Amino acid sequence: GAGVSQTPSNKVTEKGKYVELRCDPISGHTALYWYRQSLGQGPEFLIYFQGTGAADDSGLPNDRFFAVRPEGSVSTLKIQRTERGDSAVYLCASSLTVEETQYFGPGTRLLVL
Amino acid sequence: DQQVKQNSPSLSVQEGRISILNCDYTNSMFDYFLWYKKYPAEGPTFLISISSIKDKNEDGRFTVFLNKSAKHLSLHIVPSQPGDSAVYFCAAYGGSNYKLTFGKGTLLTVNP
Repeated sequence: GAGVSQTPSNKVTEKGKYVELRCDPISGHTALYWYRQSLGQGPEFLIYFQGTGAADDSGLPNDRFFAVRPEGSVSTLKIQRTERGDSAVYLCASSLTVEETQYFGPGTRLLVL
Repeated sequence: DQQVKQNSPSLSVQEGRISILNCDYTNSMFDYFLWYKKYPAEGPTFLISISSIKDKNEDGRFTVFLNKSAKHLSLHIVPSQPGDSAVYFCAAYGGSNYKLTFGKGTLLTVNP
């Protein structure tokens, strides 16, 4: 079956612009997670959803970052007024339930110029 | 502060030999540990996991050992193959908190 997919695979934007990153989880997976990986670091947690609701958004760095999952499937990570420090690979993962293994997508590489 | 530490940024082994990747953690609340493998330009791929109620879990060529008293785990790959060359991440979570905390990763190179 299909794995986690993320679009776009690459995104180049200018400082101050708004971007949206999309994640399609594995079909039937109720939990969805967003992580961010900077160069030379491991992935860092941003937010996770159980169904439609954000169960834990403690990793979002500031209020420029927001994520939604309106129908409990696809999720969108939204970044307002992008800054150069937002440049990173944004990873999405999903799991059947929160207790099950998280499976990752290929990531979206965001570059803010 | 890093709650999950992988102190070796890189490791090089000969094909056919054993690869041992190490991971230390500081958070006593962690009770589930995972290893992921990552190739360039791809997302992390789940490899193997272990619960804190066990001290060993084996899956084919991969074995993970957990020493709770030392807050240490290791991944053994035997025999190592060139296709195992990748960055390996140790990750953990605990209690009712399911967000993964990752180490910085170890780049494994298996030489033919």
